[in-house]
Amino acid sequence: AQKITQTQPGMFVQEKEAVTLDCTYDTSDQSYGLFWYKQPSSGEMIFLIYQGSYDEQNATEGRYSLNFQKARKSANLVISASQLGDSAMYFCAMRKNGGFKTIFGAGTRLFVKA
Amino acid sequence: NAGVTQTPKFRVLKTGQSMTLLCAQDMNHEYMYWYRQDPGMGLRLIHYSVGEGTTAKGEVPDGYNVSRLKKQNFLLGLESAAPSQTSVYFCASSYFPHINQPQHFGDGTRLSIL
Repeated sequence: AQKITQTQPGMFVQEKEAVTLDCTYDTSDQSYGLFWYKQPSSGEMIFLIYQGSYDEQNATEGRYSLNFQKARKSANLVISASQLGDSAMYFCAMRKNGGFKTIFGAGTRLFVKA
Repeated sequence: NAGVTQTPKFRVLKTGQSMTLLCAQDMNHEYMYWYRQDPGMGLRLIHYSVGEGTTAKGEVPDGYNVSRLKKQNFLLGLESAAPSQTSVYFCASSYFPHINQPQHFGDGTRLSIL
């Protein structure tokens, strides 16, 4: 069975510093995608970044990058130069290729301090 | 850019009452999903649809029914609301669930059952 584990319920980071949000996953599938979503206090779910299981390079989207270590089954989100607006809940998610079910982790709440 | 629109945004029900949550998307997506979000549990899939006229059960379908009479709309019904159904409900849509296709989410419906 697929499973996503986010071990950090809450994280604090100083403004302008980098922060890493951990995500480990468990799957027996060979082809799958990993996603990170941001949920600010207003409640909407915002897609941030995607990594495919066969991608050799780590994904990057602006200040977001995904540190993908396939052998360790980890897909950590790195946010560089944190901003106050980055304070939010962050969810790691996974879906197998062609599958309809996306599995979400429990989330990590990030607090950015001024 | 409407994207995925959910109505209503908030609702309070009494135990035993019924209601329908409406999800509408304007991106011509084939696939639509209903999730519930509970504290500490991430998002869990209730039902999903792979096209007009089709529906399927997700991870937590009990107590809910769905219908997809039109491609752009996906309705979630509670026939007899229970306090355990107090949650935030998210609708999402996507093209074919290839691994690199993120789901697009609505802003959520906060539902309280008294």
